[in-house]
Amino acid sequence: TQLLEQSPQFLSIQEGENLTVYCNSSSVFSSLQWYRQEPGEGPVLLVTVVTGGEVKKLKRLTFQFGDARKDSSLHITAAQPGDTGLYLCAAAGGGGNKLTFGTGTQLKVEL
Amino acid sequence: GAVVSQHPSWVICKSGTSVKIECRSLDFQATTMFWYRQFPKQSLMLMATSNEGSKATYEQGVEKDKFLINHASLTLSTLTVTSAHPEDSSFYICSAYSRVLGNQPQHFGDGTRLSIL
Repeated sequence: TQLLEQSPQFLSIQEGENLTVYCNSSSVFSSLQWYRQEPGEGPVLLVTVVTGGEVKKLKRLTFQFGDARKDSSLHITAAQPGDTGLYLCAAAGGGGNKLTFGTGTQLKVEL
Repeated sequence: GAVVSQHPSWVICKSGTSVKIECRSLDFQATTMFWYRQFPKQSLMLMATSNEGSKATYEQGVEKDKFLINHASLTLSTLTVTSAHPEDSSFYICSAYSRVLGNQPQHFGDGTRLSIL
């Protein structure tokens, strides 16, 4: 069973601060996705990373895939209250297009 | 494009009743649909994988007689929680996959909040 451990589990910060969320595993993945989920809604795909060492940017969000394709990070610059939500990493594997989700990071950005 | 709709979005019912949740891919045909369960502030846990016209594959620990899945067409899968009890209360999310769409592995519905009294 593939395990994706995210850290931290919870994060409460002030508007304007920077933060990094980590997603770690002992398994190698062909690709990894990051999602954000708001209460009462389904997860929304933010990015997919495929190549080891790859860095992708989405406005104030920077995503990095580890060189060995076992881990990933999400960095948010100058966080805003609208960034509040549950951040999930997920990786394909286990056959049949299954996704394994990380343990999740609950982010709260306060004014 | 690639919209997945779940219905109902919220349901409250009495203990002992059965509840059906629908998952539809509105603008594409889904090769496979997945059903997840999510508890508050926790991640998504895969319950089962559903392929059109065949029996669902359940994850370890998920009771197939409790959570009946039917995938009658390439655009519709249903999850029926039979004889529901308060411990079945949760947020249920479906997703759909189409090999034609390629890039994104799964497209998610907005979830169904199930509350059993």
